[in-house]
Amino acid sequence: DAKTTQPPSMDCAEGRAANLPCNHSTISGNEYVYWYRQIHSQGPQYIIHGLKNNETNEMASLIITEDRKSSTLILPHATLRDTAVYYCIVRVARLTGFQKLVFGTGTRLLVSP
Amino acid sequence: DGGITQSPKYLFRKEGQNVTLSCEQNLNHDAMYWYRQDPGQGLRLIYYSQIVNDFQKGDIAEGYSVSREKKESFPLTVTSAQKNPTAFYLCASSTGTVNTEAFFGQGTRLTVV
Repeated sequence: DAKTTQPPSMDCAEGRAANLPCNHSTISGNEYVYWYRQIHSQGPQYIIHGLKNNETNEMASLIITEDRKSSTLILPHATLRDTAVYYCIVRVARLTGFQKLVFGTGTRLLVSP
Repeated sequence: DGGITQSPKYLFRKEGQNVTLSCEQNLNHDAMYWYRQDPGQGLRLIYYSQIVNDFQKGDIAEGYSVSREKKESFPLTVTSAQKNPTAFYLCASSTGTVNTEAFFGQGTRLTVV
């Protein structure tokens, strides 16, 4: 599975958009980009995923570059409760459907008042 | 409510003792996973199971053992052979099919003294 690179930490003011980058320059054509977040001492929570097109749900938007070598998770109006570690993961869509989840160290986002 | 339950939330053991961490899910998921997290670090995969009565080693399986006798349950035993067992342990499950997210339990914090 392709590896990802994320900045170790970022700050964001409450109410502003938080843009979290992820580099996955070795991604293959059949690998999806997934984002999870982990609030302190809890289990990670799924946020969003995508293959090529930009995606949006009630939590966030995912922008994937045309060459798919990088992506950005956007939290449009960050709140204090969005303070967490955000993990960017790439996963292969195998024929059997099974794929193990491999996490990196993520980006620690601090949202301040 | 459907979900993944890990118990206990906090666990203390003396050095040299084996200890078993419980993970139960009622999501009807085929795949289950165990991860270890150390302070300030990402998640590292210990073991995973694609289906009942089958499991594979992850990246850091030494000193751990698992069983998968029932679809709902995937207990992890931390043996005395694990040199640094104190950590936060997370269990997850997924349908195992293409393009689905994983769901995590709330974790067990194991302290060995």
